[in-house]
Amino acid sequence: DAGVIQSPRHEVTEMGQEVTLRCKPISGHDYLFWYRQTMMRGLELLIYFNNNVPIDDSGMPEDRFSAKMPNASFSTLKIQPSEPRDSAVYFCASSPLRRVANYGYTFGSGTRLTVV
Amino acid sequence: AQRVTQPEKLLSVFKGAPVELKCNYSYSGSPELFWYVQYSRQRLQLLLRHISRESIKGFTADLNKGETSFHLKKPFAQEEDSAMYYCALSGTGGFKTIFGAGTRLFVKA
Repeated sequence: DAGVIQSPRHEVTEMGQEVTLRCKPISGHDYLFWYRQTMMRGLELLIYFNNNVPIDDSGMPEDRFSAKMPNASFSTLKIQPSEPRDSAVYFCASSPLRRVANYGYTFGSGTRLTVV
Repeated sequence: AQRVTQPEKLLSVFKGAPVELKCNYSYSGSPELFWYVQYSRQRLQLLLRHISRESIKGFTADLNKGETSFHLKKPFAQEEDSAMYYCALSGTGGFKTIFGAGTRLFVKA
């Protein structure tokens, strides 16, 4: 398995533009998580899914952020419109249902977003 | 509420010196605790989980429920240990993990 795959690796966009980040979890993992990493706030959980259903989106900062998981192998995080303060590294992680405590999460390489 | 506190943002030690990265948590149930490591410009990787009581790359961490701590220790630091270390906590069932703010370890030659 290639692990958790995120695209793009880097994204530079202008303020006001729509940004879509993509994630492919490890096959067979029931849980998918989106985190945001910044120097000021560290790692923040934005939203997580179980079997493609959003379970907790309390970490999503504003209505400008939305996430979907149309099937077990694909998720998107969309920011519309983007703002400079959204600049961060966005990580996707996945985990199998019964093994979180034993094995933790597997993270993707992240998408470094810069909004200018 | 779940909470993870890593009091040190930066820890700098000399090669060969002992290192301890502190982590305290707050959780009313039985926590599952982890240490993750992030080397420069790489993805986060699971380093340790308290449930396994293992030693990875010379690091160990013991869960102290009385002090609600899960400090990460290594007796002799190596330059390649320089990285960002995150303590993480999952609640009962472990479906949602929260992370501490992280401690950057810098091992000097």
